[in-house]
Amino acid sequence: SQQGEEDPQALSIQEGENATMNCSYKTSINNLQWYRQNSGRGLVHLILIRSNEREKHSGRLRVTLDTSKKSSSLLITASRAADTASYFCATDAGYGQNFVFGPGTRLSVLP
Amino acid sequence: GAGVSQSPSNKVTEKGKDVELRCDPISGHTALYWYRQRLGQGLEFLIYFQGNSAPDKSGLPSDRFSAERTGESVSTLTIQRTQQEDSAVYLCASTRGGYRTEAFFGQGTRLTVV
Repeated sequence: SQQGEEDPQALSIQEGENATMNCSYKTSINNLQWYRQNSGRGLVHLILIRSNEREKHSGRLRVTLDTSKKSSSLLITASRAADTASYFCATDAGYGQNFVFGPGTRLSVLP
Repeated sequence: GAGVSQSPSNKVTEKGKDVELRCDPISGHTALYWYRQRLGQGLEFLIYFQGNSAPDKSGLPSDRFSAERTGESVSTLTIQRTQQEDSAVYLCASTRGGYRTEAFFGQGTRLTVV
């Protein structure tokens, strides 16, 4: 299985602090994506990083990828209460392969 | 369409009844996925359709679960003889296919089996 596993399972921080979540996976991937889920409904895509990339930024988000360690991290800087959500990483091994999601990290940002 | 549409948004059914969940993917998206998410848990892969290829059914938990997709359009997930453990949110997602782009998710169907 190439399942991603997020770590920690739950994270609680104060508004303004940075939040770091990690994802590990088992097999070679084509790319890795991070998603956010509010209130247990649809997921929203945050960022995609390809296997030949090491770091990517999008606004307050920074994603790193270390293919040698089969791991990725998502950093949210200057967190806000609205960032409270569950965050999932998803991996795929390429064309014709399905996405596999990890169990997620539940982030709580306290005002 | 503007996004992935799922219906119904909520479904309460009696144990033993059959239910059918519908997903309308974004037009032109060749890949479609179904996931199940129990309360407080992660996404559990159920089935994956990619164009006209044979679907990957490896995630279906039992033969009570089946799914169909006509071409690159609507998909239906059918659960026969529902059990209480089937209670969950069922999420559908679609992508353009090929070498992976982002997945667009519907808002899910919350199924409650009483």
